[in-house]
Amino acid sequence: GENVEQHPSTLSVQEGDSAVIKCTYSDSASNYFPWYKQELGKRPQLIIDIRSNVGEKKDQRIAVTLNKTAKHFSLHITETQPEDSAVYFCAARPNDYKLSFGAGTTVTVRA
Amino acid sequence: GAVVSQHPSWVICKSGTSVKIECRSLDFQATTMFWYRQFPKQSLMLMATSNEGSKATYEQGVEKDKFLINHASLTLSTLTVTSAHPEDSSFYICSANPIGNQETQYFGPGTRLLVL
Repeated sequence: GENVEQHPSTLSVQEGDSAVIKCTYSDSASNYFPWYKQELGKRPQLIIDIRSNVGEKKDQRIAVTLNKTAKHFSLHITETQPEDSAVYFCAARPNDYKLSFGAGTTVTVRA
Repeated sequence: GAVVSQHPSWVICKSGTSVKIECRSLDFQATTMFWYRQFPKQSLMLMATSNEGSKATYEQGVEKDKFLINHASLTLSTLTVTSAHPEDSSFYICSANPIGNQETQYFGPGTRLLVL
């Protein structure tokens, strides 16, 4: 099955700085890569996703890049704000519609 | 749009009892729903895939007789934790794919289960 690794496990940034989270996947058949944000005790919320036919996607302060050859994808958050503090999960989806999640990154934005 | 609800939001039960958790898609229909378990400070672990009108598909290591799943309609899936024990205490989250969109999973708010 698909194996997704995510780094770093924790990330502390100064407000206004950028945050980058990286993930690698093992199954070359994976073609959909969503990113979820989960606040403590809440549901995961989709913040951005990318499909295998695209190399980069941006939505305001959030961007995701995908390198299919290297099987890795990254989340970039620019101009971080305190409300960006949360746990972020990457995921990959092979052809069976099931998502395999990374271990998560706890992001803390220092004011 | 694409709202998923879960009930109850939290439950405390005695060891040996059974607990039923409901997952509903409120404004869309879903032929497929997923059940996850999340322990504190850990990732989401898929337990099973719930298919409307057919048997659920369980992940390796998940006991199907302990975690009963029923997907009776296009908007409702239930997970019953039978003979619950303290080690079953966890955060259970469901998600659903809208019909025609097999990629995006919308998550429910989760159910926190504490077994005493």
